[in-house]
Amino acid sequence: QVTLRESGPALVKPTQTLTLTCTFSGFSLSTSGMSMSWIRQPPGKALEWLARIDWDDDKYYSTSLKTRLTISKDTSKNQVVLTMTNMDPVDTATYYCARSSRVGANAYFDLWGRGTLVTVSS
Amino acid sequence: QSVLTQPPSVSAAPGQKVTISCSGSRSNIGNNYVSWYQQLPGTAPKLLIYDNNERPSEIPDRFSGSKSGTSATLGITGLQTGDEADYYCGTWDTSLSAWVFGGGTKLTVL
Repeated sequence: QVTLRESGPALVKPTQTLTLTCTFSGFSLSTSGMSMSWIRQPPGKALEWLARIDWDDDKYYSTSLKTRLTISKDTSKNQVVLTMTNMDPVDTATYYCARSSRVGANAYFDLWGRGTLVTVSS
Repeated sequence: QSVLTQPPSVSAAPGQKVTISCSGSRSNIGNNYVSWYQQLPGTAPKLLIYDNNERPSEIPDRFSGSKSGTSATLGITGLQTGDEADYYCGTWDTSLSAWVFGGGTKLTVL
């Protein structure tokens, strides 16, 4: 069974660093062509792509957030981790991880996690 | 402000057809495949269309996609109340080296 599950703190304080983990099963991120992305959605707003890591460890980031984001993977644990520094209330959102079975410019997200809501508040 | 432009909302009666547009530029839609996602209320997005016009096996053929130049279109025929959802287009932007989404379109089935 192929699944994705996001985990992390539900509440973080402003200026803190957020660490989110996506744990997956049913496939391997070491398989050629696989990639994982993080995508977020503020309440009532649109989807916003944040970062992607490919099977060969290539990494890509949102241009507006790249100074605050780091994406990494632990293939042995089937996990992808996203860290976001200097959190602000505007970063309050549901954070999703999503899989692409294809890398490069013609990837698409064929599997999504349920998402985890992160609230930024003091 | 999203890189891809979608209408905020569309509506139609049950059984009717609706189209949702997605406009971009040469660096994104113009040179790369477009995919579409359906987000039912309170749930995660789900892949609806990939490679401009391909459907995953579980998606009914009431849903279709097309692309021309720097625009893409999602079509839904035989509308059902269960199709009420937010719909997002997305693609890779070669200039940004980043994925971009549209701002989303809320479909209301009257």
